[in-house]
Amino acid sequence: QVQLVQSGAEVEKPGASVKVSCKASGYTFNNYYMHWVRQAPGQGLEWMGWINCDTGATKYAQKFQGRVTTTRDTSISTVYMQLSGLTLDDTAVYYCARTQWLDAFDPWGQGTLVTVSS
Amino acid sequence: QSALTQPPSASGSPGQSVTISCTGTSSDVGYYNYVSWYQQQSGKAPKLMIYEVTKRPSGVPDRFSGSKSGNTASLTVSGLQAEDEADFYCSSYAGDNNVIFGGGTKLTVL
Repeated sequence: QVQLVQSGAEVEKPGASVKVSCKASGYTFNNYYMHWVRQAPGQGLEWMGWINCDTGATKYAQKFQGRVTTTRDTSISTVYMQLSGLTLDDTAVYYCARTQWLDAFDPWGQGTLVTVSS
Repeated sequence: QSALTQPPSASGSPGQSVTISCTGTSSDVGYYNYVSWYQQQSGKAPKLMIYEVTKRPSGVPDRFSGSKSGNTASLTVSGLQAEDEADFYCSSYAGDNNVIFGGGTKLTVL
């Protein structure tokens, strides 16, 4: 079955960077986009950006431009999201989610909790 | 871009119908038929319930339906069941390769 499995929880200090992985299985990796969406504690969903898993092209929400980098390794069907310059406000659950184009997110990874704490 | 506007809460009794709105602009919801709805139960990842305004993925009960009028999309849950209690989010393609989410609606089954 189609599945996205993310890396485990991270604790980082302010100013540091974090890298989260998302391993895909059960479908042709290159035929889809992968997005990153975050959810701060008790808050809603916030779209961060996408990567075209075939070409490697990326697009980021304006809010995250310059701080987020998404890459992929097609040999192991894995996408990575690196967020730099962490602040306390970056504490959130980070989800990867697949789309065929830029439409419906399905499925979602299980989420990775990133805690930024001094 | 601002988030799509959803009511913070909605509620209904078992068996009733409830509709959740998602208001955007003529540049996103009003222009593109790429509105999706997601259900997020407590502590879990979101789940796709409706895509392309009205389409239901395999396995989603037909009690869930979507529609759109102008800049506002809607999700209707008919025949409410206790298991429907969750947070619901809408999303839309917003042009220029961007995606936008709504702020979320907490659905309570009374």
